Amino acid sequence: DAGVTQSPTHLIKTRGQHVTLRCSPISGHKSVSWYQQVLGQGPQFIFQYYEKEERGRGNFPDRFSARQFPNYSSELNVNALLLGDSALYLCASSLVWDNQETQYFGPGTRLLVL
Amino acid sequence: QKEVEQNSGPLSVPEGAIASLNCTYSDRGSQSFFWYRQYSGKSPELIMSIYSNGDKEDGRFTAQLNKASQYVSLLIRDSQPSDSATYLCAVDMEYGNKLVFGAGTILRVKS
Repeated sequence: DAGVTQSPTHLIKTRGQHVTLRCSPISGHKSVSWYQQVLGQGPQFIFQYYEKEERGRGNFPDRFSARQFPNYSSELNVNALLLGDSALYLCASSLVWDNQETQYFGPGTRLLVL
Repeated sequence: QKEVEQNSGPLSVPEGAIASLNCTYSDRGSQSFFWYRQYSGKSPELIMSIYSNGDKEDGRFTAQLNKASQYVSLLIRDSQPSDSATYLCAVDMEYGNKLVFGAGTILRVKS
């Protein structure tokens, strides 16, 4: 079975630009979460979507937004990019089974803002 | 603020030894705990999940949970050079809504 896929793998943008990152979950998974990981730190939660509804939001500015589509794929949008937005952006999909939920990560999109 | 803390390391162990990785968390109500392995330049890979107090074994890996002490650990037996990576402890702080990660412990297994 295919795992979580993300596109693009790498991206270079300049300050002030906008970026859209995409994620396709594991088949059968209905929940998608987005994380930002800067060098030397653990991933930090940005959003979670379940059945196209936002289920959780981390401590990120309104420049960050996301949505989930009927096929459960998801987009993360970041407006007015700042140098500090340079990071690895991770998408994770999850399935609730027996009241337990485990998140599986995609390969990530590495964003560099110049 | 809800936090997960890990010793950043690096933790260096010889090949064949037991590596012990530790994690503490602040939210007493947390119910789900995970260990992920992350190789340099790659994304986190799930190693173990644990939900109940006690030990859970999977191959060379054993996760230990003590909710009263708010402590999670990962033991790696017969450590191999291929185990050299950053190990991330993650705690589900709002059931299914978000994982809070520690900064990770760098493990180096020397042959």
